[in-house]
Amino acid sequence: DVKVTQSSRYLVKRTGEKVFLECVQDMDHENMFWYRQDPGLGLRLIYFSYDVKMKEKGDIPEGYSVSREKKERFSLILESASTNQTSMYLCASSLRQVASGYTFGSGTRLTVV
Amino acid sequence: DQQVKQNSPSLSVQEGRISILNCDYTNSMFDYFLWYKKYPAEGPTFLISISSIKDKNEDGRFTVFLNKSAKHLSLHIVPSQPGDSAVYFCAASAKTGGFKTIFGAGTRLFVKA
Repeated sequence: DVKVTQSSRYLVKRTGEKVFLECVQDMDHENMFWYRQDPGLGLRLIYFSYDVKMKEKGDIPEGYSVSREKKERFSLILESASTNQTSMYLCASSLRQVASGYTFGSGTRLTVV
Repeated sequence: DQQVKQNSPSLSVQEGRISILNCDYTNSMFDYFLWYKKYPAEGPTFLISISSIKDKNEDGRFTVFLNKSAKHLSLHIVPSQPGDSAVYFCAASAKTGGFKTIFGAGTRLFVKA
């Protein structure tokens, strides 16, 4: 069964901490994505990557960075966590063809206090 | 500026009847449209997609209709089942935008037994 695995289901961090969210996929997908989901706003794209060591800004990249050193792993970094980054974070991967859709992980619920 | 809009936050339908979920978009450059289903505490699951060159795509109980002139698409579920109760996200993608996908805010479907 193919999978996208996010390292944590729940995280609580303090304001100002550096936070790492890890995502691993086992489908040999080229594309990987980080979204955040907030009530009434749907899923908003933070960063995405077409290939190893490549990254592109999404719609809301401020306060975040990413790392893709290996094809299967895509990390989201909150440089200095703030309370407005409290959210559900979803990682996804896909083949290059758009019509095949994304495979999502189960999500990480991050609370910044 | 929401490029993909789902104006109904929720929908309630009786088991066995048709569920119709609606979605509007503003960007005429979108060339693929997708629907995802999301259960609580899980990531979204890809359901069905349609290319902008088509007006209908069917997969079992699920049919997506695209009206390009109205910039409107809809997902029909027939017959609806209690297990269909979930949040449904409409999404759209444009080749000119790379591989990123824009999501709507979601519609929560309740199917009553």
